Parts: sequence; structure tokens; C-alpha cells
Amino acid sequence: DGGITQSPKYLFRKEGQNVTLSCEQNLNHDAMYWYRQDPGQGLRLIYYSQIVNDFQKGDIAEGYSVSREKKESFPLTVTSAQKNPTAFYLCATGADANTGELFFGEGSRLTVL
Amino acid sequence: KQEVTQIPAALSVPEGENLVLNCSFTDSAIYNLQWFRQDPGKGLTSLLLIQSSQREQTSGRLNASLDKSSGRSTLYIAASQPGDSATYLCAVKAAGNKLTFGGGTRVLVKP
Repeated sequence: DGGITQSPKYLFRKEGQNVTLSCEQNLNHDAMYWYRQDPGQGLRLIYYSQIVNDFQKGDIAEGYSVSREKKESFPLTVTSAQKNPTAFYLCATGADANTGELFFGEGSRLTVL
Repeated sequence: KQEVTQIPAALSVPEGENLVLNCSFTDSAIYNLQWFRQDPGKGLTSLLLIQSSQREQTSGRLNASLDKSSGRSTLYIAASQPGDSATYLCAVKAAGNKLTFGGGTRVLVKP
């Protein structure tokens, strides 16, 4: 089945813990992105990667980290330094970094207890 | 800094009426504009992608126009159905490979 797989769908974390959200794609897309969505707000870019072993900070990178060791995978770690981590996290991919269409996964909802 | 605005934030129409959703952006130097649909608790589904050189795109009952000079795009959904109820988001891609999203328009189509 082709597409973008995010896991887990729901995740609960205690304050002070790091958590890693998975994003895997089999679309052979070069570009991958992580967005955060909060109620009543638009999506905000956390990190993006245009090619393996390279990534750039987005608008709200503080408290997050990523890696891009494989084309298919772009995991996001939410660290204890992130002040308000409870949110809906969305991973996206794109074939062409500039003009291409973006495709999104189903999202991961993180709740900090 | 690019800003994308969608007005109204919410819209309710009776079934069968045409939907008109607006998106405006402040910087006309864009690569493309994309319209998405989001159902509650779900990811985004791409509806239409308009490249900066294009004026409109059509897919079935959906038609999106783009006027770069005025910084506007409009998504038209003909003959709305209850299944069209969702949040619709527009996003523009500009230099630096960043996609900037509007806040979305929440649509309710009443049977």
C-alpha cells in the first residue's frame, strides 16, 4: 500500500520525557516535512528535509530534533525542552522541492500529561 | 514574511448550494498554491495544485482560480453535498521551499 505512514496515531507522555514520532514514505519523494497543528491555528513548519542527510529548521524548531538517514524516513523527536508539546503533528512529502504537490500522512496526536 | 488568510473562518450552506472559499496571500512571489481538505482528527488531503503560471485548475466539482497580482485564490465547489463538510485549507509555496498555510475555513453542508 503506497503512501505516508505516521506512528503512533496517539501518544501520551509525561512531562520531562522525550518522544519520537515516526514518518515513513514509499512514494520515493525527496522532500519531507514536519508540521504542527494547534486548535484554531494554521499549520506551522517545524523542520524540513530536501534530501538525505540534510534538513533545515522551520518556523518553530525549538525543542524539536530530526534526522534524515534514509530517504524513506524522517523521524521527529519532541524533547523535554519543548514548552507546549501537546498538539497534532503532521508529516508531509513532496516529489519536487519547489513546484511539487505536498502529500500528508494521517497525523500523530501527542498529549503531555 | 508571507501571510495567508482565509475568510470566513466558518461557513454553513444548505445542500445543493455552490461553495465559494477565499484565500489571500501577501507576497505574490510564489511557486504554487495548493488547496487541501481536512476531516476532524485526520491528515490533509490534497484537492488541487495551481502552479504560479496557471490561472485555474479543475477536478470534478472543484475549481480553483489564482490571481497572483492581487494575491488571491478562490475554491469553488459546485452543488455541495453533506460529504463536503470539512475544513478547507490553502497553502502557498514560495522561495526557501516553505509552505505557508491559511487558518482554514470550516464548512458545514446541511442536508
